[in-house]
Amino acid sequence: NAGVTQTPKFQVLKTGQSMTLQCAQDMNHEYMSWYRQDPGMGLRLIHYSVGAGITDQGEVPNGYNVSRSTTEDFPLRLLSAAPSQTSVYFCASSYSGQGWYPLHFGNGTRLTVT
Amino acid sequence: ILNVEQSPQSLHVQEGDSTNFTCSFPSSNFYALHWYRWETAKSPEALFVMTLNGDEKKKGRISATLNTKEGYSYLYIKGSQPEDSATYLCAFIGDDKIIFGKGTRLHILP
Repeated sequence: NAGVTQTPKFQVLKTGQSMTLQCAQDMNHEYMSWYRQDPGMGLRLIHYSVGAGITDQGEVPNGYNVSRSTTEDFPLRLLSAAPSQTSVYFCASSYSGQGWYPLHFGNGTRLTVT
Repeated sequence: ILNVEQSPQSLHVQEGDSTNFTCSFPSSNFYALHWYRWETAKSPEALFVMTLNGDEKKKGRISATLNTKEGYSYLYIKGSQPEDSATYLCAFIGDDKIIFGKGTRLHILP
C-alpha cells in the first residue's frame, strides 16, 4: 500500500499565484485533513473532511479551499498565495474522525511564497 | 479554541536515563488522545491511541497514561536511547476535530 501520498514535495510560488496541493490515500479512510507546520506553532488544522462530499474548517482556514469528491482524494487549494502561507503542509487520514484510530501522515509539502 | 498544552517544550536527557512529559487537554467533549513520534525530516508516526480514563498503553520502553477527568496524559520513556531523539506530539480529539499540542522536543545525550 502507498498510504498517504502528497504532491509536490517542494513548491515555490510568487505572491498572488494559485496552486493545488494534492493528497491521496489508498486505505479507504473516511477522515482526511490538512495541517500546516510553522516554527514554534506545531501542527495547525486547516480543513478536514469526515467523508466524501463533507468538508469543514479547522483552526486556520483563511486563504485555503478544499473539496472531497472521492474518498481517496482531498486537494488543498491556495487561490492567491501570500508570503504568510510559506509553511510545510501535511495531509493526514484516518478510518474515522472520532479518534479511535491513528492518523497516517503524508511526507509533507514544503511551500515557499515569495 | 481548544487548547492542548505540552510540557516541557524541550528536554535533554542522558542516555540510559528515564524521562516523562505531559500533555494537558480539555476535559470536556473528549473522544480520544493520541501520541505521535516525529523524527526530523520525517512524518509523525502514531505511538498510542487512548480512549478511556485510566488507560495505560505500552510499546517497548515507551508507555503512556491517561486521565480524562483532569485532562492530562503522561508519556514515559524508560532507559533512553539515541534513537528516542525526536519530537513527541499529543493530539486531542473532540467533536471531529483533531488538535495537536506543540510537542516536546527530546534530545538524548550520549
